[in-house]
Amino acid sequence: DARVTQTPRHKVTEMGQEVTMRCQPILGHNTVFWYRQTMMQGLELLAYFRNRAPLDDSGMPKDRFSAEMPDATLATLKIQPSEPRDSAVYFCASGFGGSSYNEQFFGPGTRLTVL
Amino acid sequence: GQQVMQIPQYQHVQEGEDFTTYCNSSTTLSNIQWYKQRPGGHPVFLIQLVKSGEVKKQKRLTFQFGEAKKNSSLHITATQTTDVGTYFCAATSGTYKYIFGTGTRLKVLA
Repeated sequence: DARVTQTPRHKVTEMGQEVTMRCQPILGHNTVFWYRQTMMQGLELLAYFRNRAPLDDSGMPKDRFSAEMPDATLATLKIQPSEPRDSAVYFCASGFGGSSYNEQFFGPGTRLTVL
Repeated sequence: GQQVMQIPQYQHVQEGEDFTTYCNSSTTLSNIQWYKQRPGGHPVFLIQLVKSGEVKKQKRLTFQFGEAKKNSSLHITATQTTDVGTYFCAATSGTYKYIFGTGTRLKVLA
């Protein structure tokens, strides 16, 4: 059955390194969300796209984070340079916005550890 | 900005007992969603509520949207060990931007 896929599932890196996380939304979905989950902050919305256009990235630290959708089958979240406080699980979710039903389908997440 | 608070933060119950989590918003909501996240897993959609005072049931789960559309609750009757996880509400005031609540972590003791 259709699922959101994310790669890598786990990433350990050193402070200052660039990190790129990828997400393949469910085919046909036109809305993609990036969330970050930590024990302290819970689930935070970083950015979301509709029809590949960024609608809101106000939750994202602009100086080091960037999110893009090069095409309808790929969303990326990049951190450069990474810092230890970026350690978290990053979830991508997709849905079909535009209807009254906005269920979000979450991917398995990328667990990021920045040393 | 919009804030969504959930209580309680944690709940431990004996198997067979009931469980309720509450979600409260500082602003009037367009709709509210509920998700369940198993330990080590990802959030999974449970339901969406849209109408004022709406009540929906899924087997042992009952979801309610407040009359003023500022609060919601999830009630589980006769909990089972399979109910273990964290329950989140996610609320929006009319856009696709959903704010997730802080979550209620449920532990069921057999």
